[in-house]
Amino acid sequence: DAKTTQPPSMDCAEGRAANLPCNHSTISGNEYVYWYRQIHSQGPQYIIHGLKNNETNEMASLIITEDRKSSTLILPHATLRDTAVYYCIVREDFNKFYFGSGTKLNVKP
Amino acid sequence: GAVVSQHPSWVICKSGTSVKIECRSLDFQATTMFWYRQFPKQSLMLMATSNEGSKATYEQGVEKDKFLINHASLTLSTLTVTSAHPEDSSFYICSARLAGGLYNEQFFGPGTRLTVL
Repeated sequence: DAKTTQPPSMDCAEGRAANLPCNHSTISGNEYVYWYRQIHSQGPQYIIHGLKNNETNEMASLIITEDRKSSTLILPHATLRDTAVYYCIVREDFNKFYFGSGTKLNVKP
Repeated sequence: GAVVSQHPSWVICKSGTSVKIECRSLDFQATTMFWYRQFPKQSLMLMATSNEGSKATYEQGVEKDKFLINHASLTLSTLTVTSAHPEDSSFYICSARLAGGLYNEQFFGPGTRLTVL
C-alpha cells in the first residue's frame, strides 16, 4: 500500500503557482520522495525527487519539511498543460513504487 | 534521453486469446522493469517486477500464470496476458529503472490499452 496521502483534487488559476501537498508521516530515514504526473491516458512523467533538502528543476520545486513527514510540490506558473493527476510516492521496497490515489490538478483559464 | 516505448499502443482481442505487450528502453539499459495496470479513474497498481535474466516477482494477488513476463535483454520486457477475458481490459503501463542509477527513478512507457471483447 502507498505510504502517502494527498487531497483528491485542487484548482489553480493559469499563471499562478500551484502548491500540491503530500503527507508521508511514516517515511523512513533513507527513503526518497518522488513526484510524477499523469496526463490523461498517458504514462506517468517524472517531475522531481528529494531526500531531505529542497530541490528545484526546470519543471518544479519540491519543499520537504524538516521532519520529512510532508512535502509540497510547487509549479511556479501553472499552465493549462499542467492539468493532470499528480502522484507523490515514497519508495517502500527496493525499486518498487506504490502509487496512491494522487491529486487531480485542474488549471483553469 | 530515458525514453521507454510500448507496443502496441492499443489492442482489441477476443475473449480466450492471448495478447503480448512489449516494453523497450530506447536509449538506456534497464536491469529492472515494472508492469502496472490501471483501471478507469483509478491509480496505477504494481503487478510485477521484471529483472533481466531472472524470473519476475509478482505482487500479491496477481496471477503469474495469467500474466507471463519475460525480460530477455536489458532493453526489452514483455507481458503476455494469457486467455484474456473482459475483466482483463485495462491500461497496462511499463516502467524501466536506469541500470546503475543512483536515485531509483523510473521512466514510464506511454501505456497499452487492452480491450477484451
